[in-house]
Amino acid sequence: AQSVTQLDSHVSVSEGTPVLLRCNYSSSYSPSLFWYVQHPNKGLQLLLKYTSAATLVKGINGFEAEFKKSETSFHLTKPSAHMSDAAEYFCVVSDPGTYKYIFGTGTRLKVLA
Amino acid sequence: SAVISQKPSRDICQRGTSLTIQCQVDSQVTMMFWYRQQPGQSLTLIATANQGSEATYESGFVIDKFPISRPNLTFSTLTVSNMSPEDSSIYLCSAAQGGLAPEQYFGPGTRLTVT
Repeated sequence: AQSVTQLDSHVSVSEGTPVLLRCNYSSSYSPSLFWYVQHPNKGLQLLLKYTSAATLVKGINGFEAEFKKSETSFHLTKPSAHMSDAAEYFCVVSDPGTYKYIFGTGTRLKVLA
Repeated sequence: SAVISQKPSRDICQRGTSLTIQCQVDSQVTMMFWYRQQPGQSLTLIATANQGSEATYESGFVIDKFPISRPNLTFSTLTVSNMSPEDSSIYLCSAAQGGLAPEQYFGPGTRLTVT
């Protein structure tokens, strides 16, 4: 069975400092992994996805994630946080047979001025 | 990509009543899904909406409580039946095309409050 664990429920960073949101996965298959962002009272927006191509995936708004099979991790990073990055972030693993998404519990990012 | 709209955006309903949520996609899609997001929680998949056949429900969700229709490749409805306060949640639909690892596009959600 597939699962995904987001290691931090809350992360606070100062504006202009790096962001690291951690995600570990468990999958019997070669996984497809995604990061989504949800701003308050808004829908979910896809940040980036990994599908067994390059292990370093670049997404929108300066975010990127690195797939590390040996560590079963897919951490999301950004070099410099912006106030507008404050939101809930979800790591997702996809079941390759049914295309169903399994969501992590989410990480709330707070950006301090 | 696909643009997804949902109606209504929010509603306040009395317990024991039913609400039907509509999901419209701006293009034909292979797959549509319905999720529930309880306050402060992550998303839980309710069911996969299958075009022209019965939806496929996840463990803990049943057709009598959450009947789903998908009459064509761009539209689906979710009904929340015989509502109780525990059904107060955000309900989201999503859509995806086929392929190796299709990304899902999400609607803005329907915020339901049951009193």
